[in-house]
Amino acid sequence: IAGITQAPTSQILAAGRRMTLRCTQDMRHNAMYWYRQDLGLGLRLIHYSNTAGTTGKGEVPDGYSVSRANTDDFPLTLASAVPSQTSVYFCASRKGQGADTQYFGPGTRLTVL
Amino acid sequence: GQNIDQPTEMTATEGAIVQINCTYQTSGFNGLFWYQQHAGEAPTFLSYNVLDGLEEKGRFSSFLSRSKGYSYLLLKELQMKDSASYLCAVIDSNYQLIWGAGTKLIIKP
Repeated sequence: IAGITQAPTSQILAAGRRMTLRCTQDMRHNAMYWYRQDLGLGLRLIHYSNTAGTTGKGEVPDGYSVSRANTDDFPLTLASAVPSQTSVYFCASRKGQGADTQYFGPGTRLTVL
Repeated sequence: GQNIDQPTEMTATEGAIVQINCTYQTSGFNGLFWYQQHAGEAPTFLSYNVLDGLEEKGRFSSFLSRSKGYSYLLLKELQMKDSASYLCAVIDSNYQLIWGAGTKLIIKP
């Protein structure tokens, strides 16, 4: 069982380019999340999905979009990347929306120049 | 607003005991998590508290006082591999996780 996989592991991107970060889980978890982690700021929620077909905005959604066509996949798209989106991006999932433990993917390190 | 406070950085000696505190002010409370995150890696689950008191799990223990909005993570018999960041997170009334910025723990020989 792989758990949660993310791709790519790292990426350097020119400002203005479009980029999709991929996230796939094989645990049949209903809820999935995208966070960014910046030094000194901790984890900040970008978007979430409580179940396939639904999505919601987190704390810092501007400049990002997501889709949840099925249970396993939750891609994050940067329509037109800017340098302030340089960060480490973590995808996470949990079984339900209650007090279930949240599990994290290995992360994607994105640099926007 | 919602807020979780943790010390930014702590230093301890190998073999010793360290206590990492977390105070929170959130809209509702449905539990508190502690996660460990080694540099360059993803956070991994350590403990979950929803009732007041101490939960012990090997060298790690976690304490919760809901009336005080306070938790701590206690690490005993520190090892060099315990050098990591420790993240406190609270589940609010909407069952969303609110994260602290994390405490970087440095272990010295």
